[in-house]
Amino acid sequence: ETGVTQTPRHLVMGMTNKKSLKCEQHLGHNAMYWYKQSAKKPLELMFVYNFKEQTENNSVPSRFSPECPNSSHLFLHLHTLQPEDSALYLCASGRGGDYGYTFGSGTRLTVV
Amino acid sequence: SQKIEQNSEALNIQEGKTATLTCNYTNYSPAYLQWYRQDPGRGPVFLLLIRENEKEKRKERLKVTFDTTLKQSLFHITASQPADSATYLCALDDNYGQNFVFGPGTRLSVLP
Repeated sequence: ETGVTQTPRHLVMGMTNKKSLKCEQHLGHNAMYWYKQSAKKPLELMFVYNFKEQTENNSVPSRFSPECPNSSHLFLHLHTLQPEDSALYLCASGRGGDYGYTFGSGTRLTVV
Repeated sequence: SQKIEQNSEALNIQEGKTATLTCNYTNYSPAYLQWYRQDPGRGPVFLLLIRENEKEKRKERLKVTFDTTLKQSLFHITASQPADSATYLCALDDNYGQNFVFGPGTRLSVLP
């Protein structure tokens, strides 16, 4: 375990469903991130939270809605997704500067 | 436009040799550059960070160089082993150490 826990590990959902991805860290990091990783494409930064405040929304469609109730928890709420949203969704935490990110194992999402 | 390129999608080398991976970037002025390892179905794992004022960083069999004039980082694995086979990602910051943008990765295979 990396210290960043993501649930569920796998998710299959229909285009009309609503689901949520969860991320939890107890590393004392102040920043949390959502990244999307599609086949044959680089990791795409989606959202950034610093001390629970959203500091970046990287032009993500509104069918993805993040929530950060405290510095240890991060959610990604999903609704009316498209098949092209199928990807590995990765959560990371960090403390900036000289330190790298700690990633979770990701949620493999399939939209049918 | 901003771009991060990694020398090749895949690299095969013989066990015991030195693997050299390249990361080039355009229209960024990073203060930090990081390297990560990613295994299939897992999140990236942080390996090394190098700052803009550092030329070289080492950790065990790993060595990273950073040339801000050439806008390039080289990542070396000496005495490579089959267990080093993975995808290696470079990442650089676009907000003074806060948000990191990732390259597409190079898939390294070390052949016994």
